[in-house]
Amino acid sequence: AQSVTQLGSHVSVSEGALVLLRCNYSSSVPPYLFWYVQYPNQGLQLLLKYTTGATLVKGINGFEAEFKKSETSFHLTKPSAHMSDAAEYFCAVRPRSGGGADGLTFGKGTHLIIQP
Amino acid sequence: EPEVTQTPSHQVTQMGQEVILRCVPISNHLYFYWYRQILGQKVEFLVSFYNNEISEKSEIFDDQFSVERPDGSNFTLKIRSTKLEDSAMYFCASGLGLANTGELFFGEGSRLTVL
Repeated sequence: AQSVTQLGSHVSVSEGALVLLRCNYSSSVPPYLFWYVQYPNQGLQLLLKYTTGATLVKGINGFEAEFKKSETSFHLTKPSAHMSDAAEYFCAVRPRSGGGADGLTFGKGTHLIIQP
Repeated sequence: EPEVTQTPSHQVTQMGQEVILRCVPISNHLYFYWYRQILGQKVEFLVSFYNNEISEKSEIFDDQFSVERPDGSNFTLKIRSTKLEDSAMYFCASGLGLANTGELFFGEGSRLTVL
């Protein structure tokens, strides 16, 4: 079974500082990889995804993530944090086989706090 | 832009009552899902639905739960006899399957409060 580990349930950074949210997966075959963001009292919005090709993927709101197979990681970064980035961030994986019946497996989430 | 819509946004019910949560997936999508998020916890997979039947379900999805696609547009989650621990945000999602990179599109969620 696949699993996703997000290190740090809470991450606090200053406005303008680098944001780094960590995600590691366990799977014998690299899965599809996703980052979702959840703003307070809202649904899940896709930030970015890795399916194939270039391992550095760019998403919305200035976020990007790099897939590193050797480290089984898919860490999310943003060079300069903004107050509006405060939210819950979820890393998720999905197996490449199975046709689509398998849903996403989510990590426990990381609450990003932006200090003024 | 097409989106997944869910109703109601918030429902309060008494323990033991039946609840139906409704979802309208994106029209050309083939796979449909329900997820649950208990307050402060991670998003958990409940069930996936394809070709008018359940494809996969988790341990959470016991006999109290059922899903249905009663017509060409709606996708419902029924909880027959709600328990306090069913209080959560329920998300509906839809997708085209792995042929389309596996991305799922989520609704805004339905918050269920069981008293």
